[in-house]
Amino acid sequence: DTAVSQTPKYLVTQMGNDKSIKCEQNLGHDTMYWYKQDSKKFLKIMFSYNNKELIINETVPNRFSPKSPDKAHLNLHINSLELGDSAVYFCASSPGRFEAFFGQGTRLTVV
Amino acid sequence: GEDVEQSLFLSVREGDSSVINCTYTDSSSTYLYWYKQEPGAGLQLLTYIFSNMDMKQDQRLTVLLNKKDKHLSLRIADTQTGDSAIYFCAESMGGSQGNLIFGKGTKLSVKP
Repeated sequence: DTAVSQTPKYLVTQMGNDKSIKCEQNLGHDTMYWYKQDSKKFLKIMFSYNNKELIINETVPNRFSPKSPDKAHLNLHINSLELGDSAVYFCASSPGRFEAFFGQGTRLTVV
Repeated sequence: GEDVEQSLFLSVREGDSSVINCTYTDSSSTYLYWYKQEPGAGLQLLTYIFSNMDMKQDQRLTVLLNKKDKHLSLRIADTQTGDSAIYFCAESMGGSQGNLIFGKGTKLSVKP
């Protein structure tokens, strides 16, 4: 059973489009995250979210928005996609102690 | 601000020991982590160490923490070709253990 699953695994889209990446965790964790890994493999946190609080990394453009329909899901919506948005996006969840569990990543390519 | 530094590349021969080093800045980090990323794959937690420990050993992996110097290292004994991957050092930001600051990753290449 996959603990943190993301869909799709690959996403190719044109500039200007709006797209979503879905994330689900079956671990019962309270907190979920989105991370971005750029072409140089640098990883940076974008958002952390639990049912009480959304924390946004100030460097993230407001074209990116997380949406959580319920505790087990944190989807990432991206409006007006740009070439520079091409990256691998990782969802993660955490029980608040010890570690974060990561999904397998979604490779987004904007053409 | 918080920052985690690692060297970007390390090359070793199969059977040798690998040592990957990391420095961090946030002294309030409760846990420090090592993650492994194989080509085209997600992040896999290898090990973590609580900030009040100096050392943690887990089979071929040894983590050393020098809290005074804010220096963390990962030693892989008897390195195998399957250990070739990118290794990320990470510290937890503030009180949230999943809110991680990652280093830029060290690419370990293991030559036969």
